[in-house]
Amino acid sequence: QSVLTQPPSVSGAPGQRVTISCTGSSSNIGATYDVHWYQQLPGTAPKLLIYANTIRPSGVPDRFSGSKSGTSASLAITGLQAEDEADYYCQSFDNSLTAWVFGGGTKLTVL
Amino acid sequence: EVQLVESGGGLVQPGGSLRLSCAASGFTLSNFWMAWVRQAPGKGLEWVANIKPDGSERNYLDSVKGRFTMSRDNAKNSLYLQMNGLRAEDTAVYYCVRHFYYGSGSYYYMDVWGKGTSVTVSS
Repeated sequence: QSVLTQPPSVSGAPGQRVTISCTGSSSNIGATYDVHWYQQLPGTAPKLLIYANTIRPSGVPDRFSGSKSGTSASLAITGLQAEDEADYYCQSFDNSLTAWVFGGGTKLTVL
Repeated sequence: EVQLVESGGGLVQPGGSLRLSCAASGFTLSNFWMAWVRQAPGKGLEWVANIKPDGSERNYLDSVKGRFTMSRDNAKNSLYLQMNGLRAEDTAVYYCVRHFYYGSGSYYYMDVWGKGTSVTVSS
């Protein structure tokens, strides 16, 4: 059971928009700690996709965007492409566990 | 090119020990917090430990406290994870990660990842 809750899977057709939610609590996202997002393509290491809730590292397409409100955060992907098919993880800090915590991951399928 | 390369993984019996290494290149290791993150087969990501740039502070996941020790040698551009008392539940791919610190408090994100090294704990 992950501290941050994500849907196990989402799907969308090429060109569509999908969102992935990440729900936490008052000891992590709700405690004003930032949320970061990682993309893990099949068989590869994770890669930083969004940091500090909304910021894209250099090289990440602007089709990817992040937001945060209250005890939740979201990752939105517009103009879906086949190469976006991957696992996506949210991550924050939890002050009751004193640990950096991840969501359980969401598998994105491009139909 | 910024790069992290892990080594030292393998098959070990329950109760055994293993030492993972991570070679850093393309950046000044002594300027950065570093971390280990693991991923059990078919499962999600789990932060294991991190260490301050000068090695003076370390933090650990509760389930590995007292069994795992993270260390670094900035002169050798290397990180280490000494794992003792290994259990079946420690079986995972272990990633060496740059844990980028950007604000007061616990504001970090993981901006550089190695390819990982696989650890299997089984008799």
